[in-house]
Amino acid sequence: GIQVEQSPPDLILQEGANSTLRCNFSDSVNNLQWFHQNPWGQLINLFYIPSGTKQNGRLSATTVATERYSLLYISSSQTTDSGVYFCAVEGHYNNNDMRFGAGTRLTVKP
Amino acid sequence: GAVVSQHPSRVICKSGTSVKIECRSLDFQATTMFWYRQFPKQSLMLMATSNEGSKATYEQGVEKDKFLINHASLTLSTLTVTSAHPEDSSFYICSAEPGQGYEQYFGPGTRLTVT
Repeated sequence: GIQVEQSPPDLILQEGANSTLRCNFSDSVNNLQWFHQNPWGQLINLFYIPSGTKQNGRLSATTVATERYSLLYISSSQTTDSGVYFCAVEGHYNNNDMRFGAGTRLTVKP
Repeated sequence: GAVVSQHPSRVICKSGTSVKIECRSLDFQATTMFWYRQFPKQSLMLMATSNEGSKATYEQGVEKDKFLINHASLTLSTLTVTSAHPEDSSFYICSAEPGQGYEQYFGPGTRLTVT
């Protein structure tokens, strides 16, 4: 099945800093989503981005499907951005189920 | 955006009993629903995929007789953990999608503790 790798596994930032999270995947995808999991476990859907670039406030994402990677940018980070960020993909040949990466654990310090 | 609910949000049960978790798509019809399990400090692992009116497809290593899935309507899927044991304690999350290739919407999760 499709493999999903996220980097870095852990990231510690000072409030106000910018960061880039990466998601590599091993095959063509129909769907790619970025999530933020809050401390209560709720998955917050950040972007549905199988290709192209999207922006939402301080967050933006870019997926280059032909090169099989996606990037999540967080600018001017805040302590509330802390948590785990997951990339999940639905492979072109996957029968529409999503596969999650291992996640990036982000800690933003005041 | 679309909303998916789960009930209960938290459940504690005794070893040997069964627990049912409901997943509902509140404002759209879900042709497919998915069930995931997440152990502490780990990623989400797909357990099974269910399509309305047909049998669920289970991932390798997931016991279908232990984790019973029913997708009786386009807005409701249930996961029943039968004869639960402490090792079944986990965070169970469902998701739903209106159609293949569409965005998936995730429920808030159910934290199961088996004592």
